[in-house]
Amino acid sequence: NAGVMQNPRHLVRRRGQEARLRCSPMKGHSHVYWYRQLPEEGLKFMVYLQKENIIDESGMPKERFSAEFPKEGPSILRIQQVVRGDSAAYFCASSPGQGVGNSPLHFGNGTRLTVT
Amino acid sequence: SQQGEEDPQALSIQEGENATMNCSYKTSINNLQWYRQNSGRGLVHLILIRSNEREKHSGRLRVTLDTSKKSSSLLITASRAADTASYFCATARLGAGNMLTFGGGTRLMVKP
Repeated sequence: NAGVMQNPRHLVRRRGQEARLRCSPMKGHSHVYWYRQLPEEGLKFMVYLQKENIIDESGMPKERFSAEFPKEGPSILRIQQVVRGDSAAYFCASSPGQGVGNSPLHFGNGTRLTVT
Repeated sequence: SQQGEEDPQALSIQEGENATMNCSYKTSINNLQWYRQNSGRGLVHLILIRSNEREKHSGRLRVTLDTSKKSSSLLITASRAADTASYFCATARLGAGNMLTFGGGTRLMVKP
């Protein structure tokens, strides 16, 4: 009964490199959400995806950030040309469906990105 | 400021005492949820209260919701050292489905 799986747990990148964060939702879940958390702060919404569709990316920076959730395989959050300000914990969550919004989200343990 | 602001930001109590955390929000909501986060881990769902509910219980947790004041409270009774964590409220806005907006959290420390 695997939960939401995120990898890697820790990722270190130099400025200018690319970071790829992966998220496999819970079995049977078709909706994925990415959140970002700075130390001692709450989670900030980035993007909401269903299989092969971006539903809402209103929280995603316009440049350097992209996300996908292909028909097969995990959801990917990609950050190009990373800068020190991208250092944060990135959390993925999943839910079984949109419904009427009364399903809790199931979170992974996050990927901690450090940009040196 | 963001939807879902917790108060206090930090709370330190002795084991056995009750802990109360409050949350305020701005827009109309479908539901309000409380999550717990242990250091270095992901968030764990604790309880969901719908907009037409006023109070909900789950074990030692009691959540209230006042939609007229746009506020909620989480009460943890008979706290234990293992309750030490950060607690976040999150709101699901009307029309936004399961997409949640989180507050800044309350950091609870329960001293043995």
